[in-house]
Amino acid sequence: QSALTQPPSVSGSPGQSVIISCTGTSSDVGGYDYVSWYQQHPDKAPKLMIYDVSKRPSGVPDRFSGSKSGNTASLTISGLQAEDEADYYCFSYAGSYTLVFGGGTKVTVL
Amino acid sequence: QVQIQQWGAGRLKPSETLSLTCAVFGGSFSGYFWGWVRQPPEKGLEWIGEINPSEATNYNPSLKSRVTMSVDTSKNQFSLKVTSVTAADTAVYYCARRFPAGNGGGYYMDVWGKGTTVTVSS
Repeated sequence: QSALTQPPSVSGSPGQSVIISCTGTSSDVGGYDYVSWYQQHPDKAPKLMIYDVSKRPSGVPDRFSGSKSGNTASLTISGLQAEDEADYYCFSYAGSYTLVFGGGTKVTVL
Repeated sequence: QVQIQQWGAGRLKPSETLSLTCAVFGGSFSGYFWGWVRQPPEKGLEWIGEINPSEATNYNPSLKSRVTMSVDTSKNQFSLKVTSVTAADTAVYYCARRFPAGNGGGYYMDVWGKGTTVTVSS
């Protein structure tokens, strides 16, 4: 069970869009529509932003969207805002009742 | 609104056993899995495992030999034990509610505790 692969960092100016990728295998990301995304600000608990690949929990701005193609899931933040600066983690079912996180991506708002 | 409070020993010596507990308030305890996630300093999140009120458990294979989870349904509490800790177990430990799988979706954590810092040092 290996961690899913995310870019260490992405950045964008306010108002721009950024995309965070999460690459796994056919045994995890590619095999199931059980990908979720979490936002984590420093010294805070993770917060669910996207579940079931593309669904948004109540209260999460529609600037956040998720998708998946093959073994790679993506989180898109449109209209980037200062408060979006945080670490983001993908999370996927990996078969045999195990779950795995991505390595995390730091989003910087320039 | 569901809330999770967590507690446990924050400082351990190598070879000791880590013990943490979470209590669930304001919502249903049954029908969900209750999971544990840890985060070493300056590193990413790691899934440790989960348990449901029927005591069914799922563990990260890399930690399975040292991890035990238990549940007390009378108190809406669940617990984590990790034996033979080393410095590599130093981390913030989070507990969370894992939404059940079904109807094409699931396997996500939607309610989180605030985290407990555990430091292993001689």
